[in-house]
Amino acid sequence: QQPVQSPQAVILREGEDAVINCSSSKALYSVHWYRQKHGEAPVFLMILLKGGEQKGHEKISASFNEKKQQSSLYLTASQLSYSGTYFCGTPPRVGGGSNYKLTFGKGTLLTVNP
Amino acid sequence: SAVISQKPSRDICQRGTSLTIQCQVDSQVTMMFWYRQQPGQSLTLIATANQGSEATYESGFVIDKFPISRPNLTFSTLTVSNMSPEDSSIYLCSVFSGTGGYNEQFFGPGTRLTVL
Repeated sequence: QQPVQSPQAVILREGEDAVINCSSSKALYSVHWYRQKHGEAPVFLMILLKGGEQKGHEKISASFNEKKQQSSLYLTASQLSYSGTYFCGTPPRVGGGSNYKLTFGKGTLLTVNP
Repeated sequence: SAVISQKPSRDICQRGTSLTIQCQVDSQVTMMFWYRQQPGQSLTLIATANQGSEATYESGFVIDKFPISRPNLTFSTLTVSNMSPEDSSIYLCSVFSGTGGYNEQFFGPGTRLTVL
């Protein structure tokens, strides 16, 4: 089941904030966030786990609401380098090798202008 | 972390031919994943390749069309067989590698395939 991302696209000026949402019709066990710049491979940003644990190495924040089956990525004081397409990915279920079979949303194109 | 290389980086092929894409990882991994990304679209998992066993294909993908080899823990190939223009896509190899107690997914640079 493909997670649904919103908005599809957003345009910001440098320094502005944005929120990207990812929701699922099925129970979420974890949510993975990636950013892909044009012509490049996707790059890992963050993983949010059931129970509130977050792992990542970018200066961004995110939330994971298990009850609402959704996650949000918060991009504050945006920089030009934040531009790209953001994807959320969700595994079908918890445990074992299936936890790595991510289904990705359609992506959110973020453009940050000077 | 994991560093992944793919060959070729791009190719233009004729309808009906086949192309084999190579994926090399700088560390040993149990599972390697092959994704397809059509222009401007999301990433779709084709199959999971485990060393020493048959690849596991996702719904809509079959072994005859996308045969996969996994001869060792650092290398895999994906063949796109009997190509048609609909196979024009970017094909990405991916692995998970653990750091700090969690597994981060790394992607190769991709192979951009155009079928005429």
